[in-house]
Amino acid sequence: QLQLQESGPGLLKPSETLSLTCSVSGGSMSYYWAWIRQPPGRGLEWIGSMYYSGSAYYNPSLKSRVTVSVDMSKSQFSLKLSSVAAADTAVYYCARQTSGYSSGWFDPWGQGTLVTVSS
Amino acid sequence: SYELTQPPSVSVSPGQTARITCSGDKLGDKYVCWYQQKPGQSPVVVMYQDTKRPSGIPERFSGSNSGNTATLTISGTQAIDEADYYCQAWDTSAYVFGTGTKLTVL
Repeated sequence: QLQLQESGPGLLKPSETLSLTCSVSGGSMSYYWAWIRQPPGRGLEWIGSMYYSGSAYYNPSLKSRVTVSVDMSKSQFSLKLSSVAAADTAVYYCARQTSGYSSGWFDPWGQGTLVTVSS
Repeated sequence: SYELTQPPSVSVSPGQTARITCSGDKLGDKYVCWYQQKPGQSPVVVMYQDTKRPSGIPERFSGSNSGNTATLTISGTQAIDEADYYCQAWDTSAYVFGTGTKLTVL
């Protein structure tokens, strides 16, 4: 059974770069992989997705600050979000994306990791 | 940017049918999926490509999508179905989630 686990710092200062890693176990990496976030008490926001072979696409609202990468050798994929602000405080989830673009959905999801941005 | 609108809350009595709607421009032309999120847990997909139910999801969950509205229907709602529900679709260049609906079973 595929399992995903997020890891990374839980507290950042404004203007720093958020770096998270998602470790994948129990299945193939030959899929799309995605990052999604959820501010406390609020709804879900897609951040970006990447195919295992390297093509990536991002939420236009975050595109200038986001990079997603995949490391097949380590069965991991990563998220970098630069110049964070308090509005970036959220639970960050990694997920497998079942297919690309219009027919894609996310399953399964990691347990999520809370990232707080505060001075 | 594209928006998906859901009612903030839906209440239903145990055993009754709950219907959660998701509205967006020409939504019927897109694939919609639905996620269930219980407090403190990660979302779980309960419906994908409008009407397909993942393995392990009870048959009481069904979906439809036409015109500007997609609907998640839960027949014979049980207490364990109480959760937040989110719809999701793809538009042009981004995956968009709905605003979320809190389903209360009382």
